[in-house]
Amino acid sequence: DGGITQSPKYLFRKEGQNVTLSCEQNLNHDAMYWYRQDPGQGLRLIYYSQIVNDFQKGDIAEGYSVSREKKESFPLTVTSAQKNPTAFYLCASSLAQAKNIQYFGAGTRLSVL
Amino acid sequence: LAKTTQPISMDSYEGQEVNITCSHNNIATNDYITWYQQFPSQGPRFIIQGYKTKVTNEVASLFIPADRKSSTLSLPRVSLSDTAVYYCLVGASYQTGANNLFFGTGTRLTVIP
Repeated sequence: DGGITQSPKYLFRKEGQNVTLSCEQNLNHDAMYWYRQDPGQGLRLIYYSQIVNDFQKGDIAEGYSVSREKKESFPLTVTSAQKNPTAFYLCASSLAQAKNIQYFGAGTRLSVL
Repeated sequence: LAKTTQPISMDSYEGQEVNITCSHNNIATNDYITWYQQFPSQGPRFIIQGYKTKVTNEVASLFIPADRKSSTLSLPRVSLSDTAVYYCLVGASYQTGANNLFFGTGTRLTVIP
């Protein structure tokens, strides 16, 4: 059953804590993305990776970090430097030559305790 | 990066045809027009993509005039389950470098019984 899986579905962060959101895909896609969505708003790009061991900052990368050690995995770390992390986080993937058609996971909702 | 303008919200009764128009005045030659659907607390889902004239699939139709400065997503005979936010995006599938898609606030469609 092909798709993109995000975990956990809900996550709580304490003050000063780093947390990592998982994103795994078995679609054999080269490109992967992380977006942030605030209530009633559109999606904003955090990070983008076109290939393993390569990634680029999006529009709102400050306070976030990523790694791309495997094609299937693109974890996002929300660091303590991100002062307003409460949001809905979405991971997506696509073929490198068809970036307009992205497949999204079900999302992770992050809240601050 | 081509930006788009869509109505913020629309209401429709069940069984009616719904047309959502998107303006993209500065669309580039290589840009495609892509529509996504997003239900609450879920990731967006690709609906349809086109370059010019008309495209139809099992879910929707996409009408694009000759000047390509706008497009219309048509949903035939909507049901309550079509209540969602619909995003119109423009961008070139083959563009290298960072992701070039811009998800605005979309159009919130509410289907009324």
